[in-house]
Amino acid sequence: AQKVTQAQTEISVVEKEDVTLDCVYETRDTTYYLFWYKQPPSGELVFLIRRNSFDEQNEISGRYSWNFQKSTSSFNFTITASQVVDSAVYFCALSEVTNAGKSTFGDGTTLTVKP
Amino acid sequence: KAGVTQTPRYLIKTRGQQVTLSCSPISGHRSVSWYQQTPGQGLQFLFEYFSETQRNKGNFPGRFSGRQFSNSRSEMNVSTLELGDSALYLCASSSETGGAETQYFGPGTRLLVL
Repeated sequence: AQKVTQAQTEISVVEKEDVTLDCVYETRDTTYYLFWYKQPPSGELVFLIRRNSFDEQNEISGRYSWNFQKSTSSFNFTITASQVVDSAVYFCALSEVTNAGKSTFGDGTTLTVKP
Repeated sequence: KAGVTQTPRYLIKTRGQQVTLSCSPISGHRSVSWYQQTPGQGLQFLFEYFSETQRNKGNFPGRFSGRQFSNSRSEMNVSTLELGDSALYLCASSSETGGAETQYFGPGTRLLVL
């Protein structure tokens, strides 16, 4: 069975601070997808990134960066120079490559960025 | 392209009633998945439809059902509503072109059962 753990329930930072959201996963599959989504108060899940299990390269997109370490089954997300607009709930998710329509989500981390 | 749309956005029902929620996927997407989000249980997978066939099913009672039409639009139905069915129901669509599946989510339907 697949499992995703986001141990940080809530994080509060002051604007311009860097913040890292942790994600640890469990799966018996050798190939899989990992995702991060952002959920603002409106409720819609906004796709941020998908990572294939065979690609351990870290990725940077603007102020966002992701660190994927297969050895520790972690897929952490860092926001550099956080902004108030980054305040949201962030979800890490996992799916089988052959079953991408069924994702397992973590419980989410609520990030509050204060001005 | 237009995103995933869900109707209605808000719904209030009473216990014992039934409800039907609708989801229109992104044009060209053939897979539609449904998730339930509650404060206590988080995001839980309900089921996935692909080309009008249910391909995956989560661990929910038979009161939860769904279907997909030939134009990929999907509906989910909950019969004999219970208070615990109050939740945000999210629909996601994905394209399976080249194996690069990514789920794109709609805004959700907030269901309140009184």
